[in-house]
Amino acid sequence: GENVEQHPSTLSVQEGDSAVIKCTYSDSASNYFPWYKQELGKGPQLIIDIRSNVGEKKDQRIAVTLNKTAKHFSLHITETQPEDSAVYFCAASADGQNFVFGPGTRLSVLP
Amino acid sequence: DSGVTQTPKHLITATGQRVTLRCSPRSGDLSVYWYQQSLDQGLQFLIQYYNGEERAKGNILERFSAQQFPDLHSELNLSSLELGDSALYFCASSAGGYSNQPQHFGDGTRLSIL
Repeated sequence: GENVEQHPSTLSVQEGDSAVIKCTYSDSASNYFPWYKQELGKGPQLIIDIRSNVGEKKDQRIAVTLNKTAKHFSLHITETQPEDSAVYFCAASADGQNFVFGPGTRLSVLP
Repeated sequence: DSGVTQTPKHLITATGQRVTLRCSPRSGDLSVYWYQQSLDQGLQFLIQYYNGEERAKGNILERFSAQQFPDLHSELNLSSLELGDSALYFCASSAGGYSNQPQHFGDGTRLSIL
């Protein structure tokens, strides 16, 4: 089955700096890759997603890149702000089933 | 607000008991997914329903079962509870079944087994 690895497990950055979180997946059939942000006491919130027919997607300060050949995808957050502090999860899915999540990255943005 | 409603928010019970967790999906969403989140296991996919029928199964124990009703709300039943079942249980919904539609999560039910 699918296996998703995520690095780093914790990340601290200064406010205004960029943050990058990387995920790798094992199943070449996976074709949908969402990223979620989870704040304390809340459920995961979808922040951006990418499908396998696209190499890059951007939404304001957040971007995701996908390398299908290498089976990895990355989340990029620019101009980080304290409210970006949270746990971030990547996930992989084939056709909307059996979503497999990475173990999460705890991002701390220091003022 | 994701539009996905989960009840109850907290549940405390004892080993050997049975509980039912409830999820109301976003308006218009036909798929419901259940996940278990524990400290050492991360988010684990349990089961998916689409328009009342089971669509995919993940790491769901035989002691656990789920169903989706005609009004599209879903229930997750956990029986013969063990200490290790203590976790956050999340429900998510999406518009599609096989298509890659975004999932929207509720805020979860925290289950504590004493």
